[in-house]
Amino acid sequence: AQSVTQPDIHITVSEGASLELRCNYSYGATPYLFWYVQSPGQGLQLLLKYFSGDTLVQGIKGFEAEFKRSQSSFNLRKPSVHWSDAAEYFCAVGVGNEKLTFGTGTRLTIIP
Amino acid sequence: DAGVIQSPRHEVTEMGQEVTLRCKPISGHNSLFWYRQTMMRGLELLIYFNNNVPIDDSGMPEDRFSAKMPNASFSTLKIQPSEPRDSAVYFCASRLTVNTEAFFGQGTRLTVV
Repeated sequence: AQSVTQPDIHITVSEGASLELRCNYSYGATPYLFWYVQSPGQGLQLLLKYFSGDTLVQGIKGFEAEFKRSQSSFNLRKPSVHWSDAAEYFCAVGVGNEKLTFGTGTRLTIIP
Repeated sequence: DAGVIQSPRHEVTEMGQEVTLRCKPISGHNSLFWYRQTMMRGLELLIYFNNNVPIDDSGMPEDRFSAKMPNASFSTLKIQPSEPRDSAVYFCASRLTVNTEAFFGQGTRLTVV
């Protein structure tokens, strides 16, 4: 069965600093990978997705993620964070007819 | 499209009462998911449907929980009887087909007192 690990429960960065959120997956083949963001009291919004092709994918709000097969990783990055990026971020994996499995999330705090 | 629509947004009920959560997926979407989110357990998949058929209900906590999808445009999640430990935010999500992204509703915040 597939699984997703987000090793960082909580990350704090300064506004304007760069950001990298880690995500590792476990699956026998290449899965479909997603990053979602959840603001307080809201549902989850898709930031970006990887299905195939270019391993560096661009998403909304200036985010990008890179699929690295050798490391079974799909880390999310942003060169310069804004205070509005404070939220909870979820990595998810899904393949074929299987369910979407989410990681435990990483809470991002932005300090001035 | 209005997106995935869940109702009610908030529900407060007494222990032992029946609770029904409702979801209208995005029109044309073939898969529907019910998730539960709590501080302690994070985001848990309860059940998902493909073409109105339940595919995996292994996440349903116990017999008190049941879910139905009578047609492509409507699903319910029922808890009977409800217990305080069922208090959580319940999300419904839908996707066009397998191997596409899921779109989430705003959630139903359930409080059982």
